[in-house]
Amino acid sequence: GESVGLHLPTLSVQEGDNSIINCAYSNSASDYFIWYKQESGKGPQFIIDIRSNMDKRQGQRVTVLLNKTVKHLSLQIAATQPGDSAVYFCAENSGGGADGLTFGKGTHLIIQP
Amino acid sequence: NAGVMQNPRHLVRRRGQEARLRCSPVKGHSHVYWYRQLPEEGLKFMVYLQKENIIDESGMPKERFSAEFPKEGPSILRIQQVVRGDSAAYFCASSPFSQNTGVWSTEAFFGQGTRLTVV
Repeated sequence: GESVGLHLPTLSVQEGDNSIINCAYSNSASDYFIWYKQESGKGPQFIIDIRSNMDKRQGQRVTVLLNKTVKHLSLQIAATQPGDSAVYFCAENSGGGADGLTFGKGTHLIIQP
Repeated sequence: NAGVMQNPRHLVRRRGQEARLRCSPVKGHSHVYWYRQLPEEGLKFMVYLQKENIIDESGMPKERFSAEFPKEGPSILRIQQVVRGDSAAYFCASSPFSQNTGVWSTEAFFGQGTRLTVV
């Protein structure tokens, strides 16, 4: 499955399938990006990050891809599990004295058995 | 992360009352950030503080909102004369470094949030 995080708030995938969550960012000066997972009633939890001098970074079961040309970020989750059910946010930081992260609206990932 | 403690977890206030939200950062962290999250929305940056200093308050409403991080004790986000539009989840994050050093990945954590409801 694939979604544009800002335009399709819900992504439903079968357990065991791969999930792809997309995010478009607007600030071309952003140089650092993070994906967060937020479960219901909890605070955001760091998943993986990437700097603008990279186009791909892999973690455990997750991969982040960055396309600076089109200002697009994606999160790939391999072999999706029930515990992956949450809202996923991309966040960007432009540095240069701006200390706050800018979050996207999020994509709700639903895992079907 | 359990290291960042926010209280209360839920807060109900009538319109016109004051709301005080507390955030105790991870021990040893001297940088605190407050974010607001409206239902079905992403988090919006409000303010960044270091001990006894406000570093960046560009996301704070100009009126009724204030924040502090004293030398001793938790960081406080204070909302005076609350209105219904203030109803949201307020999250605090702490870090041993400024965000600009890019250490959010391993060193910065969010608390569980305070859910403010204005009735």
